Amino acid sequence: SQQGEEDPQALSIQEGENATMNCSYKTSINNLQWYRQNSGRGLVHLILIRSNEREKHSGRLRVTLDTSKKSSSLLITASRAADTASYFCATDATGNAGNMLTFGGGTRLMVKP
Amino acid sequence: KAGVTQTPRYLIKTRGQQVTLSCSPISGHRSVSWYQQTPGQGLQFLFEYFSETQRNKGNFPGRFSGRQFSNSRSEMNVSTLELGDSALYLCASSFGVSAYNEQFFGPGTRLTVL
Repeated sequence: SQQGEEDPQALSIQEGENATMNCSYKTSINNLQWYRQNSGRGLVHLILIRSNEREKHSGRLRVTLDTSKKSSSLLITASRAADTASYFCATDATGNAGNMLTFGGGTRLMVKP
Repeated sequence: KAGVTQTPRYLIKTRGQQVTLSCSPISGHRSVSWYQQTPGQGLQFLFEYFSETQRNKGNFPGRFSGRQFSNSRSEMNVSTLELGDSALYLCASSFGVSAYNEQFFGPGTRLTVL
């Protein structure tokens, strides 16, 4: 079963604009990770944010985490056509013995040149 | 450093057959996890291995099984294939099993069951 919901399910923007995707989850977590997937290929790891962190940056990516609301957001600034992909959040729930991730349904981002 | 590799990349099988998929993790990584991705169910966890031991198992029937070898390479097997097993099967590797391990995914094996 999926841990969370991603919002919106699809997003279409112009190149240069910012894209914001949201993720909600249900249980306490150790960390939350964001991944990108191009056209049914493998997942590319973007960023990991720990449960005790509130914000993290990596290049044009900014991730926030609000554990009180059980939600996270991914902001891509100055988007490019190459950012067109599906984006997934994945949570590692507290109490997991290992590395089991639970994924959201994903946001399909289209960046128009 | 080479990434996670999966073989084969594409497979076509018929109902009732069995299939074995292979995953080679990033060098030095000892944890391997498997996921199934379908349009209807999304990404779902199958199982995870660490040091040749299964640590976690998802909610899949016993037809789905896996193992890990001493060199950390892993295989998963699906017996008595059903049409619904058609999916992208993704393997992920990570260094260990702490709460803060990044997991890196391979390109996947696309299985089509006819």
